Amino acid sequence: KQEVTQIPAALSVPEGENLVLNCSFTDSAIYNLQWFRQDPGKGLTSLLLIQSSQREQTSGRLNASLDKSSGRSTLYIAASQPGDSATYLCAVTMDSSYKLIFGSGTRLLVRP
Amino acid sequence: KAGVTQTPRYLIKTRGQQVTLSCSPISGHRSVSWYQQTPGQGLQFLFEYFSETQRNKGNFPGRFSGRQFSNSRSEMNVSTLELGDSALYLCASSLEGFVAKNIQYFGAGTRLSVL
Repeated sequence: KQEVTQIPAALSVPEGENLVLNCSFTDSAIYNLQWFRQDPGKGLTSLLLIQSSQREQTSGRLNASLDKSSGRSTLYIAASQPGDSATYLCAVTMDSSYKLIFGSGTRLLVRP
Repeated sequence: KAGVTQTPRYLIKTRGQQVTLSCSPISGHRSVSWYQQTPGQGLQFLFEYFSETQRNKGNFPGRFSGRQFSNSRSEMNVSTLELGDSALYLCASSLEGFVAKNIQYFGAGTRLSVL
């Protein structure tokens, strides 16, 4: 059974700092991995999707990497801003379905 | 383009009642998935519908059911509500095609409280 873990559960950093969020999964036979952002009381916003054959994806200040063999993904946020404060979730799919298996998330606070 | 719309945003029910939640996907999207989010269990997949057919199902009891209409709008129903059903229910839609090429777009969710 696939299990997805995110460490740390919470993170507080000063504005401008570069930071890394971690995601690990127990079964390396994933189809793809996605990073989402969730603001309080709101739904999820997809940030980056990495296919199993890819090593990384970039969007603006965000960079996500994937190492299937070690069961790890990282989300790198450059020059963090208070507007980046949210909960970040990673999720994997095991096949070509839309069934996402989520981690428990990392709650990020960027202090002005 | 309008996003995924979920109604109602908030619901309060009592144990034993049933509830129906609605989800209108982004125009043109034919796949609709449902998720339950609780502090203890996190986000868990309920089911996915495509062209009015349930294509995938998570590990939830039969009290949880859903359907999709010809216009791709979807409803989920929970019968005989239990206190543990209190959660944020999220709906996501996606274009037809391989999931690797299609990102899921989530609605704001319906917050269900069971008293």
